[in-house]
Amino acid sequence: KQEVTQIPAALSVPEGENLVLNCSFTDSAIYNLQWFRQDPGKGLTSLLLIQSSQREQTSGRLNASLDKSSGRSTLYIAASQPGDSATYLCAVTLSGTYKYIFGTGTRLKVLA
Amino acid sequence: DAGVIQSPRHEVTEMGQEVTLRCKPISGHNSLFWYRQTMMRGLELLIYFNNNVPIDDSGMPEDRFSAKMPNASFSTLKIQPSEPRDSAVYFCASSFVAGNTIYFGEGSWLTVV
Repeated sequence: KQEVTQIPAALSVPEGENLVLNCSFTDSAIYNLQWFRQDPGKGLTSLLLIQSSQREQTSGRLNASLDKSSGRSTLYIAASQPGDSATYLCAVTLSGTYKYIFGTGTRLKVLA
Repeated sequence: DAGVIQSPRHEVTEMGQEVTLRCKPISGHNSLFWYRQTMMRGLELLIYFNNNVPIDDSGMPEDRFSAKMPNASFSTLKIQPSEPRDSAVYFCASSFVAGNTIYFGEGSWLTVV
């Protein structure tokens, strides 16, 4: 059974700091991995999608990497801003089923 | 595009009542998902439709829960009878092709008292 873990559960950093969020999964037979952002009281917004054949994806200050063999992904946020404060979730899509399995998220607070 | 539209946004109901949650996916998307989010269990996939056909309902907690997708632009999730432990945020999401970027609605916040 695929399990997705995100550590840490919560993170507080000063504005301007570069930071890394971690996601690990137990079964490497994935179709892709997505990172999402969730603001309080809102739905999830997809940030980056990495196909299983890719190593990384970039969008603005965000960079996500994928190491399928070790079952790990990281989300790098450069020059963090208070507006980045949110919960970040990763989800893997299982090959053959296309089911998205979510981690429990990292709650990020960027202090001004 | 209006995105995934869910209704109601908030519902408070008494135990034993029937609850119907509604979802309109993004036009042209052929995959639709219902998720439930709680503090204790995080995001759980309840059911997944592809081309209006239920593909995987293994996440539906019990027979009190049912979901339908009568056409490509509408789906419902029904709880009958509702119980306090059903209190959660229920999200509907859609994607153009299963396995691609998934778009979430704003959620339906359900409280059963």
